[in-house]
Amino acid sequence: ELKVEQNPLFLSMQEGKNYTIYCNYSTTSDRLYWYRQDPGKSLESLFVLLSNGAVKQEGRLMASLDTKARLSTLHITAAVHDLSATYFCAVDSLRGAQKLVFGQGTRLTINP
Amino acid sequence: DAGVIQSPRHEVTEMGQEVTLRCKPISGHDYLFWYRQTMMRGLELLIYFNNNVPIDDSGMPEDRFSAKMPNASFSTLKIQPSEPRDSAVYFCASSPRGTLSSYNEQFFGPGTRLTVL
Repeated sequence: ELKVEQNPLFLSMQEGKNYTIYCNYSTTSDRLYWYRQDPGKSLESLFVLLSNGAVKQEGRLMASLDTKARLSTLHITAAVHDLSATYFCAVDSLRGAQKLVFGQGTRLTINP
Repeated sequence: DAGVIQSPRHEVTEMGQEVTLRCKPISGHDYLFWYRQTMMRGLELLIYFNNNVPIDDSGMPEDRFSAKMPNASFSTLKIQPSEPRDSAVYFCASSPRGTLSSYNEQFFGPGTRLTVL
């Protein structure tokens, strides 16, 4: 059974600092997704990583994928308050199955 | 370009009542997913459809829950009878046709916040 684990689950940081959220998964997969959820809102797709070594960046967020280590990271550079949200990673359960397995989510709070 | 549409956005009902949640997926998407989100259990996949056919309902918690997709543009999730532990946010998501060479990005609706008293 595929398991997806995020670390940390809660993160409080100051504006201007850098930090990284980690996403580990238990079985082979080369497709990983990052979503953002604001309080009381829906999930919004941030990044789709489709191969080993894939790196994508949007503003202060950068996501990468290492399929050999079964690890993805979401790096936040010079955090700003607007990035406060819960971030989820998700992995394809089985190629062709069209089902994603989500991590527990990382609740990120950025303080002024 | 409308995204996934869900109704109602909020539902408050009493224990024992029937609840029906509705979803309209993005036009042209072949896959539709129903999720439940709670603080205790996180995001759980309940069931998903491909071309209106249920593919995997292993996440449906019990017989009180049922889901249908009578056509490509409409799905319902029904709870009968409802219980307080069913209180949660229910999300519908849709995804375009997938092949072995494509990926499975899902697009989520705004959710229905259900409270069962």
